[in-house]
Amino acid sequence: DTEVTQTPKHLVMGMTNKKSLKCEQHMGHRAMYWYKQKAKKPPELMFVYSYEKLSINESVPSRFSPECPNSSLLNLHLHALQPEDSALYLCASSQEGRDGYNEQFFGPGTRLTVL
Amino acid sequence: DAKTTQPPSMDCAEGRAANLPCNHSTISGNEYVYWYRQIHSQGPQYIIHGLKNNETNEMASLIITEDRKSSTLILPHATLRDTAVYYCTLSPYGGATNKLIFGTGTLLAVQP
Repeated sequence: DTEVTQTPKHLVMGMTNKKSLKCEQHMGHRAMYWYKQKAKKPPELMFVYSYEKLSINESVPSRFSPECPNSSLLNLHLHALQPEDSALYLCASSQEGRDGYNEQFFGPGTRLTVL
Repeated sequence: DAKTTQPPSMDCAEGRAANLPCNHSTISGNEYVYWYRQIHSQGPQYIIHGLKNNETNEMASLIITEDRKSSTLILPHATLRDTAVYYCTLSPYGGATNKLIFGTGTLLAVQP
């Protein structure tokens, strides 16, 4: 199984709502990532988890709260978002290979719209 | 973080080779060159990586100049399904995680 799954595929929420995005992988990878991608722009790294601990936070606003409950799951909790947070949210996972390279496997993303 | 520069768009005829260039003049000695592509509305997909030698796999070939300041991704026989945005990125060798910083990428349009 070389698949990263993300749910939901689409999400519409109001600025006062609380919602969560979910990401799952069963490849045994110990690194997991959240990216944000605005239309016609490249993906931007938000968070990196390594062995279930947050290792990188790219100065993301606190209205985005990541969580890694176990080695297969990654959540992104959303609260009090703004319309400019509307974007495609991508999850990825990776594991260091023998020659030191580190291929990331991406999920299909969650398309988020904030009204 | 080291940066990459790519042309914003390229066209290629179906069945011909597509050669996508990337400049990474500030690459560090311990950084891999990675190529990913993103087909419309999908997550990025890994294509190939290299350190200093040329590499080939079932999808593509990667040519890295001797000074490592630039590279070229070659799709030997482009098909319509290869139409996508192609990203050239750099990331340090080794480590449990891989911090990818995507540049603006090249939109490759394969024409019938």
